[in-house]
Amino acid sequence: ETGVTQSPTHLIKTRGQQVTLRCSSQSGHNTVSWYQQALGQGPQFIFQYYREEENGRGNFPPRFSGLQFPNYSSELNVNALELDDSALYLCASSLGAEPTDTQYFGPGTRLTVL
Amino acid sequence: AQSVTQLGSHVSVSEGALVLLRCNYSSSVPPYLFWYVQYPNQGLQLLLKYTTGATLVKGINGFEAEFKKSETSFHLTKPSAHMSDAAEYFCAVTHSNSGYALNFGKGTSLLVTP
Repeated sequence: ETGVTQSPTHLIKTRGQQVTLRCSSQSGHNTVSWYQQALGQGPQFIFQYYREEENGRGNFPPRFSGLQFPNYSSELNVNALELDDSALYLCASSLGAEPTDTQYFGPGTRLTVL
Repeated sequence: AQSVTQLGSHVSVSEGALVLLRCNYSSSVPPYLFWYVQYPNQGLQLLLKYTTGATLVKGINGFEAEFKKSETSFHLTKPSAHMSDAAEYFCAVTHSNSGYALNFGKGTSLLVTP
């Protein structure tokens, strides 16, 4: 039942720039969550959107923002990029917003900040 | 707050041998527990999850895990390792009051030798 896609696959930016990462959820999935996975670490929760509204947020600064659209696509925007933002960014979609709902992950976008 | 600890960042087993990957959780409320697998350059795939009910959970690819409340553990096992099992494995926890965020461990890299 997977089918979550992300673009681009890889991205290189310089410090201070802004970046937009995109995710396409499986049709019918009302919830999208974004995670940051630093090298050698487990994914860290950034935020979740449910039916186009932010539904929860992890310990990330406001320069990390998101949008979810009615067509099951979503965006993660990061402003004022820092070197530590270099990571694999994963989106995950699920049918609902219950904690027991399975989250289906995309392949990720590898962001490198120079 | 809830968290998981995965004991052993690297585990090596011979093909055909038992696979045992350890996960201990910390949660002040009944947890929901998950095991995900990540193959190189791919997103995370759900192996199995425990929410309520039977404490022995069977997942895909022959994996299973047992929720042991007294030991605060949710170890992942597979009776006989295959070469294709080589990957990164993540344990994650959430609970009914969380609503959204999966809290992941740092992962265990499984190496399967011929």
